[in-house]
Amino acid sequence: NAGVTQTPKFQVLKTGQSMTLQCAQDMNHEYMSWYRQDPGMGLRLIHYSVGAGITDQGEVPNGYNVSRSTTEDFPLRLLSAAPSQTSVYFCASSYSSGVKSDTQYFGPGTRLTVL
Amino acid sequence: AQSVAQPEDQVNVAEGNPLTVKCTYSVSGNPYLFWYVQYPNRGLQFLLKYITGDNLVKGSYGFEAEFNKSQTSFHLKKPSALVSDSALYFCAVKETGRRALTFGSGTRLQVQP
Repeated sequence: NAGVTQTPKFQVLKTGQSMTLQCAQDMNHEYMSWYRQDPGMGLRLIHYSVGAGITDQGEVPNGYNVSRSTTEDFPLRLLSAAPSQTSVYFCASSYSSGVKSDTQYFGPGTRLTVL
Repeated sequence: AQSVAQPEDQVNVAEGNPLTVKCTYSVSGNPYLFWYVQYPNRGLQFLLKYITGDNLVKGSYGFEAEFNKSQTSFHLKKPSALVSDSALYFCAVKETGRRALTFGSGTRLQVQP
């Protein structure tokens, strides 16, 4: 299994540009989520999904959109990038029920810089 | 609301000595507690979790954590530190019935040779 994969690894945007961060998992996990990591602030939840067609907002959703058309993929869209969105973005997935639920598996991250 | 605090930004320990990384939490109901480790330029890796049962939880790489309900703490411990344990450690909490994890701000562990 490849686990959780994210592309791209690095990205530089100009203010106002839009882009999509890709996330895919091959573990048949129902639950997927996006976090951003900023120095001294840990990880903050942006959006999450409990299954295909179902998404919900996390702690810091403004400026981001998500969709979940398949179990495997959970892309994160930046609609109009701002310097405040400079961060490292992590995608994570887990089972949503059973003894293996709650343990989240993380992708390698995307380092985004907005100029 | 659920929250977690890691009071130390950095912990320094000599190789071979025991280490402790502190974590306290706040939840309305019963907590699910987790420790993750992040090596440079990598994603987070799961170390261990407490759901219910024995208060001492054993995890990967020789780490363990003790759940203390009265002190609302879940400190990470290892009897003998290795230089390769140097990394960023995150504590996380989830209330029963909630979906999302809340992470602490992280503690950088530096193990000196």
